[in-house]
Amino acid sequence: EVQLVESGGGLVKPGGSLRLSCAASGFTFNLYSINWVRQAPGKGLEWVSSISYTGSYMYYADSVQGRFTISIDNAENSVYLQMNSLRAEDTAVYYCARDSGPWYFDLWGRGTLVTVSS
Amino acid sequence: QSALTQPASVSGSPGQSITISCAGTRSDVGSYHLVSWYQQHPGKAPRLLIYEVTKRPSGVSNRFSGSKSGNTASLTISGLQTEDEADYYCCSYAGSHTFVVFGGGTKLTVL
Repeated sequence: EVQLVESGGGLVKPGGSLRLSCAASGFTFNLYSINWVRQAPGKGLEWVSSISYTGSYMYYADSVQGRFTISIDNAENSVYLQMNSLRAEDTAVYYCARDSGPWYFDLWGRGTLVTVSS
Repeated sequence: QSALTQPASVSGSPGQSITISCAGTRSDVGSYHLVSWYQQHPGKAPRLLIYEVTKRPSGVSNRFSGSKSGNTASLTISGLQTEDEADYYCCSYAGSHTFVVFGGGTKLTVL
């Protein structure tokens, strides 16, 4: 089955860290860029980050630049999002999405919830 | 505030057609043929409906169509069905600093 599955979400205190994973299956992983898109509770979609299939290109939204790091492991068919210095406003469902490009997302995971609260 | 501006809500009756607008700027919608549209039902992941302004992925009904004029993109849904009731988001590439911007979303109610 062609799918993306996110994991790693949870409750973390402000200033804390979390690492999200996105596992791909059912398609040729190393042909696509992978993105993270988040959705705060009751709010709209916000693009967070993108990584090319080679790992050579990584892009970030201004709101997470310098705090979040995206990485890829082609051997594991996985993309990761290391989130540091977390803030309350980072609370959201985080989706990983396949970029069939340029810059449109044709496959989404179910999402993982990150809650930043003391 | 979202980078792209969509109406908060639209409504229509079964069988009717509706159009959702997505207003951007010449830095995003106006400069690139890279507008996409997504449908999201409550509690579900977004689903791609339209890409590159007018193209439909396989499996998406031809009742969904996209267009663009200047800095504004539009999604038209014809022959409204009850299952079309959902949130709709536009999205555009915005250049090599901002990369991707979404609209704030439009809630479609099928009366």
